[in-house]
Amino acid sequence: DAGVTQSPTHLIKTRGQHVTLRCSPISGHKSVSWYQQVLGQGPQFIFQYYEKEERGRGNFPDRFSARQFPNYSSELNVNALLLGDSALYLCASSLYLSLEAFFGQGTRLTVV
Amino acid sequence: KNEVEQSPQNLTAQEGEFITINCSYSVGISALHWLQQHPGGGIVSLFMLSSGKKKHGRLIATINIQEKHSSLHITASHPRDSAVYICAVRSRSGAGSYQLTFGKGTKLSVIP
Repeated sequence: DAGVTQSPTHLIKTRGQHVTLRCSPISGHKSVSWYQQVLGQGPQFIFQYYEKEERGRGNFPDRFSARQFPNYSSELNVNALLLGDSALYLCASSLYLSLEAFFGQGTRLTVV
Repeated sequence: KNEVEQSPQNLTAQEGEFITINCSYSVGISALHWLQQHPGGGIVSLFMLSSGKKKHGRLIATINIQEKHSSLHITASHPRDSAVYICAVRSRSGAGSYQLTFGKGTKLSVIP
Protein backbone atom coordinates (compact mmCIF):
# COMPACT_ATOMS: atom_id res chain seq x y z
CA ASP A 1 0.00 0.00 0.00
CA ALA A 2 1.55 3.31 -1.08
CA GLY A 3 2.38 5.84 1.57
CA VAL A 4 2.28 9.60 1.17
CA THR A 5 4.02 10.52 -2.07
CA GLN A 6 5.45 13.92 -2.91
CA SER A 7 6.79 15.28 -6.17
CA PRO A 8 9.25 16.38 -7.20
CA THR A 9 11.86 15.14 -4.70
CA HIS A 10 14.30 17.92 -5.49
CA LEU A 11 13.87 21.27 -7.18
CA ILE A 12 16.06 24.26 -7.94
CA LYS A 13 14.43 27.61 -8.71
CA THR A 14 15.57 31.18 -9.21
CA ARG A 15 14.50 34.09 -7.00
CA GLY A 16 11.22 35.57 -8.17
CA GLN A 17 10.00 32.39 -9.83
CA HIS A 18 6.93 30.40 -8.88
CA VAL A 19 6.88 26.77 -7.72
CA THR A 20 4.20 24.09 -7.35
CA LEU A 21 4.73 21.11 -5.07
CA ARG A 22 2.45 18.09 -5.14
CA CYS A 23 1.28 15.58 -2.56
CA SER A 24 -0.75 12.39 -2.85
CA PRO A 25 -2.11 11.19 0.49
CA ILE A 26 -2.51 7.62 1.62
CA SER A 27 -5.57 6.11 -0.01
CA GLY A 28 -8.66 7.00 2.01
CA HIS A 29 -7.03 9.84 3.92
CA LYS A 30 -9.03 13.04 3.70
CA SER A 31 -6.74 15.48 5.47
CA VAL A 32 -3.48 16.88 4.08
CA SER A 33 -1.11 19.23 5.87
CA TRP A 34 1.95 21.08 4.61
CA TYR A 35 5.08 21.92 6.61
CA GLN A 36 8.29 23.84 5.91
CA GLN A 37 11.53 22.65 7.47
CA VAL A 38 14.59 24.85 7.13
CA LEU A 39 17.98 23.33 7.83
CA GLY A 40 18.59 22.63 11.51
CA GLN A 41 15.05 23.44 12.60
CA GLY A 42 11.88 21.50 13.26
CA PRO A 43 9.08 21.67 10.68
CA GLN A 44 6.75 24.68 10.71
CA PHE A 45 3.03 24.36 9.93
CA ILE A 46 1.91 26.03 6.69
CA PHE A 47 -1.58 24.73 5.80
CA GLN A 48 -4.10 22.06 6.66
CA TYR A 49 -6.85 20.92 4.30
CA TYR A 50 -9.74 18.60 4.97
CA GLU A 51 -12.42 17.61 2.47
CA LYS A 52 -11.05 20.22 0.04
CA GLU A 53 -11.44 23.08 2.49
CA GLU A 54 -8.68 25.01 4.23
CA ARG A 55 -8.93 24.25 7.93
CA GLY A 56 -5.77 25.86 9.22
CA ARG A 57 -3.05 28.27 8.18
CA GLY A 58 0.30 28.94 9.81
CA ASN A 59 2.21 32.20 9.96
CA PHE A 60 3.31 32.37 6.33
CA PRO A 61 2.95 35.23 3.83
CA ASP A 62 0.28 35.32 1.14
CA ARG A 63 2.88 34.17 -1.38
CA PHE A 64 2.10 30.71 -0.06
CA SER A 65 -1.16 29.12 -1.16
CA ALA A 66 -2.51 25.61 -1.42
CA ARG A 67 -5.50 23.64 -2.53
CA GLN A 68 -6.92 20.13 -2.22
CA PHE A 69 -8.52 18.31 -5.11
CA PRO A 70 -11.58 15.99 -5.16
CA ASN A 71 -9.25 12.96 -5.01
CA TYR A 72 -7.71 14.50 -1.84
CA SER A 73 -4.34 15.16 -3.43
CA SER A 74 -2.94 18.60 -2.78
CA GLU A 75 -0.72 21.29 -4.26
CA LEU A 76 1.37 23.88 -2.46
CA ASN A 77 2.16 26.99 -4.48
CA VAL A 78 4.78 29.58 -3.65
CA ASN A 79 5.03 32.80 -5.66
CA ALA A 80 7.87 35.30 -5.93
CA LEU A 81 10.40 32.92 -4.42
CA LEU A 82 12.96 34.25 -1.96
CA LEU A 83 16.26 32.73 -0.94
CA GLY A 84 14.73 32.11 2.49
CA ASP A 85 12.13 29.80 0.97
CA SER A 86 14.86 27.20 0.50
CA ALA A 87 13.77 24.31 2.70
CA LEU A 88 12.40 20.80 2.85
CA TYR A 89 8.64 20.90 2.28
CA LEU A 90 6.80 18.05 3.95
CA CYS A 91 3.30 16.81 3.35
CA ALA A 92 1.40 14.71 5.85
CA SER A 93 -1.93 12.96 5.52
CA SER A 94 -4.38 11.61 8.06
CA LEU A 95 -7.72 9.90 7.91
CA TYR A 96 -9.38 12.70 9.82
CA LEU A 97 -8.14 15.98 11.28
CA SER A 98 -7.36 14.68 14.74
CA LEU A 99 -5.79 11.34 13.94
CA GLU A 100 -2.20 10.26 13.46
CA ALA A 101 -0.38 11.93 10.58
CA PHE A 102 1.80 10.06 8.08
CA PHE A 103 4.56 11.99 6.36
CA GLY A 104 5.95 11.91 2.85
CA GLN A 105 9.65 12.01 1.99
CA GLY A 106 9.49 15.72 1.29
CA THR A 107 10.46 18.02 -1.55
CA ARG A 108 13.79 19.76 -1.14
CA LEU A 109 13.51 23.24 -2.69
CA THR A 110 16.62 25.29 -3.33
CA VAL A 111 16.20 28.92 -4.38
CA VAL A 112 19.26 30.49 -5.99
CA LYS B 1 10.62 30.70 23.99
CA ASN B 2 9.58 27.77 21.80
CA GLU B 3 6.31 26.09 22.65
CA VAL B 4 8.05 22.71 22.37
CA GLU B 5 11.49 22.24 23.88
CA GLN B 6 13.61 19.12 23.42
CA SER B 7 16.74 18.04 25.23
CA PRO B 8 19.43 17.24 24.55
CA GLN B 9 19.96 18.82 21.12
CA ASN B 10 22.71 16.33 20.31
CA LEU B 11 23.40 12.93 21.81
CA THR B 12 26.19 10.46 21.18
CA ALA B 13 25.91 6.99 22.66
CA GLN B 14 27.77 3.70 22.54
CA GLU B 15 25.96 0.75 21.03
CA GLY B 16 23.89 -1.00 23.68
CA GLU B 17 23.33 2.07 25.88
CA PHE B 18 19.92 3.11 27.20
CA ILE B 19 18.92 6.46 25.71
CA THR B 20 16.43 9.06 26.90
CA ILE B 21 15.24 12.09 24.96
CA ASN B 22 13.02 14.63 26.71
CA CYS B 23 10.28 16.93 25.47
CA SER B 24 8.53 19.72 27.36
CA TYR B 25 5.67 21.79 26.02
CA SER B 26 3.81 24.88 27.16
CA VAL B 27 0.47 24.64 25.32
CA GLY B 28 -2.62 22.55 25.86
CA ILE B 29 -2.50 19.51 23.64
CA SER B 30 -4.74 16.74 22.40
CA ALA B 31 -1.84 14.41 21.59
CA LEU B 32 1.93 14.23 21.36
CA HIS B 33 3.93 12.62 18.57
CA TRP B 34 7.43 11.22 18.49
CA LEU B 35 8.90 11.22 15.00
CA GLN B 36 12.10 9.91 13.46
CA GLN B 37 13.86 11.70 10.62
CA HIS B 38 16.76 10.18 8.71
CA PRO B 39 19.29 12.26 6.70
CA GLY B 40 17.25 11.80 3.51
CA GLY B 41 14.53 13.93 5.09
CA GLY B 42 11.53 11.62 5.29
CA ILE B 43 9.76 11.49 8.63
CA VAL B 44 8.45 8.31 10.22
CA SER B 45 5.87 8.45 12.96
CA LEU B 46 7.00 6.39 15.96
CA PHE B 47 4.26 7.09 18.50
CA MET B 48 1.17 9.18 19.03
CA LEU B 49 0.09 9.31 22.66
CA SER B 50 -2.21 11.34 24.85
CA SER B 51 -1.63 9.60 28.18
CA GLY B 52 0.48 6.97 29.89
CA LYS B 53 3.00 4.88 28.07
CA LYS B 54 3.45 3.08 24.75
CA LYS B 55 6.03 0.49 23.74
CA HIS B 56 7.10 -0.72 20.34
CA GLY B 57 10.06 -3.05 20.18
CA ARG B 58 13.02 -1.29 21.81
CA LEU B 59 11.23 2.06 21.88
CA ILE B 60 9.18 3.34 24.81
CA ALA B 61 7.33 6.66 24.99
CA THR B 62 5.80 8.16 28.11
CA ILE B 63 3.81 11.29 28.72
CA ASN B 64 2.83 13.21 31.88
CA ILE B 65 -0.01 15.56 30.95
CA GLN B 66 0.02 17.38 34.29
CA GLU B 67 3.73 18.15 34.02
CA LYS B 68 3.55 18.76 30.23
CA HIS B 69 6.47 16.46 29.66
CA SER B 70 7.21 13.41 27.54
CA SER B 71 10.19 11.10 27.18
CA LEU B 72 11.34 8.77 24.45
CA HIS B 73 13.51 5.87 25.57
CA ILE B 74 15.56 3.55 23.39
CA THR B 75 16.78 0.35 25.00
CA ALA B 76 19.87 -1.53 23.73
CA SER B 77 20.65 1.22 21.21
CA HIS B 78 22.04 0.29 17.80
CA PRO B 79 23.83 2.30 15.11
CA ARG B 80 20.73 2.05 12.92
CA ASP B 81 18.91 4.13 15.55
CA SER B 82 21.07 7.10 14.51
CA ALA B 83 18.65 9.78 13.32
CA VAL B 84 16.98 12.99 14.39
CA TYR B 85 14.12 12.43 16.83
CA ILE B 86 11.43 15.09 16.84
CA CYS B 87 8.70 15.74 19.38
CA ALA B 88 5.52 17.35 18.04
CA VAL B 89 2.37 18.35 19.91
CA ARG B 90 -1.11 18.38 18.40
CA SER B 91 -3.38 21.21 19.50
CA ARG B 92 -6.55 22.87 18.28
CA SER B 93 -5.91 25.82 15.96
CA GLY B 94 -9.50 26.75 15.18
CA ALA B 95 -12.95 25.29 14.79
CA GLY B 96 -12.47 21.66 13.82
CA SER B 97 -8.83 22.23 13.01
CA TYR B 98 -5.66 20.80 14.52
CA GLN B 99 -2.06 21.88 14.19
CA LEU B 100 1.25 20.16 14.87
CA THR B 101 3.94 22.23 16.60
CA PHE B 102 7.39 20.70 16.43
CA GLY B 103 10.48 20.77 18.57
CA LYS B 104 13.84 21.38 16.92
CA GLY B 105 14.80 17.74 17.20
CA THR B 106 17.47 15.70 18.95
CA LYS B 107 20.26 14.37 16.77
CA LEU B 108 21.25 10.90 18.00
CA SER B 109 24.44 9.18 16.92
CA VAL B 110 25.02 5.61 18.11
CA ILE B 111 28.63 4.46 17.76
CA PRO B 112 29.44 0.76 17.27
